[in-house]
Amino acid sequence: QKEVEQDPGPLSVPEGAIVSLNCTYSNSAFQYFMWYRQYSRKGPELLMYTYSSGNKEDGRFTAQVDKSSKYISLFIRDSQPSDSATYLCAMSKDTDKLIFGTGTRLQVFP
Amino acid sequence: KAGVTQTPRYLIKTRGQQVTLSCSPISGHRSVSWYQQTPGQGLQFLFEYFSETQRNKGNFPGRFSGRQFSNSRSEMNVSTLELGDSALYLCASSLAPANAEAFFGQGTRLTVV
Repeated sequence: QKEVEQDPGPLSVPEGAIVSLNCTYSNSAFQYFMWYRQYSRKGPELLMYTYSSGNKEDGRFTAQVDKSSKYISLFIRDSQPSDSATYLCAMSKDTDKLIFGTGTRLQVFP
Repeated sequence: KAGVTQTPRYLIKTRGQQVTLSCSPISGHRSVSWYQQTPGQGLQFLFEYFSETQRNKGNFPGRFSGRQFSNSRSEMNVSTLELGDSALYLCASSLAPANAEAFFGQGTRLTVV
């Protein structure tokens, strides 16, 4: 079993929809939780990071961490075709390397 | 400010050859990490350097090595290339080791034929 599990998709939604992306993990020692967006043939771009449990909002993006369930989510409101990309979750223990999910491919159609 | 710069962007090598990839981190960042990305395995951690010292190493064979210079620039080397080494190699820089705010370069696409 991988430490971080992420549904590969693809997830296809119409423009304007609310998108929910999720990851589960098995290591309760993870404290830092990140979401990256990766466009085709580009490097991952850091969207948001959260320390421990709770919610964090940045524009149309909201990240949620539920440590009791070992479950993290990224919500995208008012999705746009430009949001079409692969979304990677990542997490780490204190001062340790990042462990990535395999990514969810999102397609937002006009 | 300038982002993470990786060179070259694309490489084609033959089995058995060796290759060196370069990464220049964001100015002021002293930590550099390397990852291998393949369609089947996703992003896998290779190693991390901070202040010219390797802090952490992933589960890759000894053919994969790296180093960091005093200006924080980093190189990774793969010797005796195998077909399975074909991948996107990504470098990430951060202010401190294993910092949550890690910024990635565009990657080097290595193809081994």
